[in-house]
Amino acid sequence: AQTVTQSQPEMSVQEAETVTLSCTYDTSESDYYLFWYKQPPSRQMILVIRQEAYKQQNATENRFSVNFQKAAKSFSLKISDSQLGDAAMYFCAYRITQGGSEKLVFGKGTKLTVNP
Amino acid sequence: EPEVTQTPSHQVTQMGQEVILRCVPISNHLYFYWYRQILGQKVEFLVSFYNNEISEKSEIFDDQFSVERPDGSNFTLKIRSTKLEDSAMYFCASRSDRAYSNQPQHFGDGTRLSIL
Repeated sequence: AQTVTQSQPEMSVQEAETVTLSCTYDTSESDYYLFWYKQPPSRQMILVIRQEAYKQQNATENRFSVNFQKAAKSFSLKISDSQLGDAAMYFCAYRITQGGSEKLVFGKGTKLTVNP
Repeated sequence: EPEVTQTPSHQVTQMGQEVILRCVPISNHLYFYWYRQILGQKVEFLVSFYNNEISEKSEIFDDQFSVERPDGSNFTLKIRSTKLEDSAMYFCASRSDRAYSNQPQHFGDGTRLSIL
């Protein structure tokens, strides 16, 4: 079964600094998708970044980038120049596709605090 | 940018009562989902829906749960006889395009369900 593990329940970073959130997953598939979602205190789920497993190039979205290590089944999120608005729960998610249907499997999340 | 809309934002219901959570997916999307997040825990998949039928459901989605797309815009989750353990945040999500594509699921802001 596919599982997603986020080993850091909480992380903190100083404003303007860089922080990396870790995520590992378990799968026997060769082609899949990975996502990072952000959940601020308002509780909405916001897509931060996505990565297709067949792409060797790491995805980047402005201050957010990933370090995707397929062999190690690792998908970490790097936030550069951290801002106060980055404070949130961050969930790593793996997309399972079977028989034409799909679902997301989430990790337990990492709570990120940004200190001014 | 189009959004997934969920109503109500907060629903308080007596145990044993029926509750209907409503979602308006993004208009050109074809795949619809419900997820649940019990307070302090990770987001869990409940059900996926495509072409007016359930594609997949989790073990959480028992006979007390049902989903429906009553018209061309709404997607509802009904809990027939609520239990205390149904208290959670319920997220609706939708996705465009066909299966195996790289399009992400877009989430609504969630409905907080409180069972008394």
